[in-house]
Amino acid sequence: DQQVKQNSPSLSVQEGRISILNCDYTNSMFDYFLWYKKYPAEGPTFLISISSIKDKNEDGRFTVFLNKSAKHLSLHIVPSQPGDSAVYFCAASVTGANSKLTFGKGITLSVRP
Amino acid sequence: DVKVTQSSRYLVKRTGEKVFLECVQDMDHENMFWYRQDPGLGLRLIYFSYDVKMKEKGDIPEGYSVSREKKERFSLILESASTNQTSMYLCASSLGGGTLYEQYFGPGTRLTVT
Repeated sequence: DQQVKQNSPSLSVQEGRISILNCDYTNSMFDYFLWYKKYPAEGPTFLISISSIKDKNEDGRFTVFLNKSAKHLSLHIVPSQPGDSAVYFCAASVTGANSKLTFGKGITLSVRP
Repeated sequence: DVKVTQSSRYLVKRTGEKVFLECVQDMDHENMFWYRQDPGLGLRLIYFSYDVKMKEKGDIPEGYSVSREKKERFSLILESASTNQTSMYLCASSLGGGTLYEQYFGPGTRLTVT
């Protein structure tokens, strides 16, 4: 039973354009959401997070949007750069769960020069 | 900066061997985690620990055990390695308490069981 879903396995965008990575979740108890970025042969690195009390969080070129009623979040990268090419994981957690995260399967983003 | 290190980047073991994967973090984090990453399956939690000598099963604990004798060190043990345990193993740590904190990952160990 997959509680965090990233239904598109890959995304290809042109450099300078917007990348939109989507994530859906089924567990209504989730109240904290994170995005991680992973390069090959490296561990994932934290990118940005959002609490369920917000609907938007922005950090430089990265913005995460949360739609609680739809149980949907998205990561926007503007403008996209070739160095953004990586696997992006969406993760979710419940307050009080010892920071235990449930991850999606990941989306491979390719940014074409 | 938080640093999470893993004992090996690449490891090749034979079927039936006992395998130890070591993870050390240097930020006094209470929580530590072991995941495996497989193509098309994402990151799946094997075990986690929220305190010394405390452990809880994750989503796929079968065939694995863990040990946490010191706060900074969390070991994953494959009692009898099998070919279906060939994978990328990732260790992570985070601050504890009821507040949510992001997890910091090590570089991973690519384990091949032949």
